[in-house]
Amino acid sequence: AIQLTQSPSSLSASVGDRVTITCRASQGISSALAWYQKKTGKAPKLLMYDASRLESGVPSRFSGSGSGTDFTLTISSLQPEDFATYYCQQFNNYPRTFGQGTKVEIK
Amino acid sequence: EVQLVESGGGLVKPGGSLRLSCAASGFTFSNYDMNWVRQAPGKGLEWVSFISSSSSYIYYADSVQGRFTISRDSAKNSLYLQMNSLRAEDTAVYYCARDWRGDLDVWGKGTTVTVSS
Repeated sequence: AIQLTQSPSSLSASVGDRVTITCRASQGISSALAWYQKKTGKAPKLLMYDASRLESGVPSRFSGSGSGTDFTLTISSLQPEDFATYYCQQFNNYPRTFGQGTKVEIK
Repeated sequence: EVQLVESGGGLVKPGGSLRLSCAASGFTFSNYDMNWVRQAPGKGLEWVSFISSSSSYIYYADSVQGRFTISRDSAKNSLYLQMNSLRAEDTAVYYCARDWRGDLDVWGKGTTVTVSS
């Protein structure tokens, strides 16, 4: 199974900060990667698909990049509603796998 | 409104069984592949199972292979997960999710499964 390793596992940031989360795949997955936001007690929300495409309705401060094995999710200016846990997920093959998550906390 | 609503969770003893359901509305269910994803308490998201729109392709995580069975009924716009031989480590919130391009674009709010004696 393809392993996805996210870094960091957690981070503290302030409103307005630029935040970057990385996701590394154990083997190449082309651009078959999605990013999700998860808040406690809520369903996950799709942010990015195909590594760099913004899901409809998601604010443009979110962006994604990468292909092959290395990917990033960037929040250009962190907003109060962005404090959450973020997960990458590969859909290149089965079993589908998620990264372990990156918790973004208020500094 | 596009919506997925899970049901069927509850408390079950180790070794027991449970059947989860997911009711879809607001979109043509028969056109979409579907998944189950779970999150154990304090843990991350774990993909559980996939079923194609026609039920021709089915995949499972190694952790549930042989114990869980995914199915769907397009006439009822419903997705199911039959869970047998349940273990404590199956305790989690279970989400159904619509598969679009491989990513999961619509999620239900989840149903909680607790496996405990």
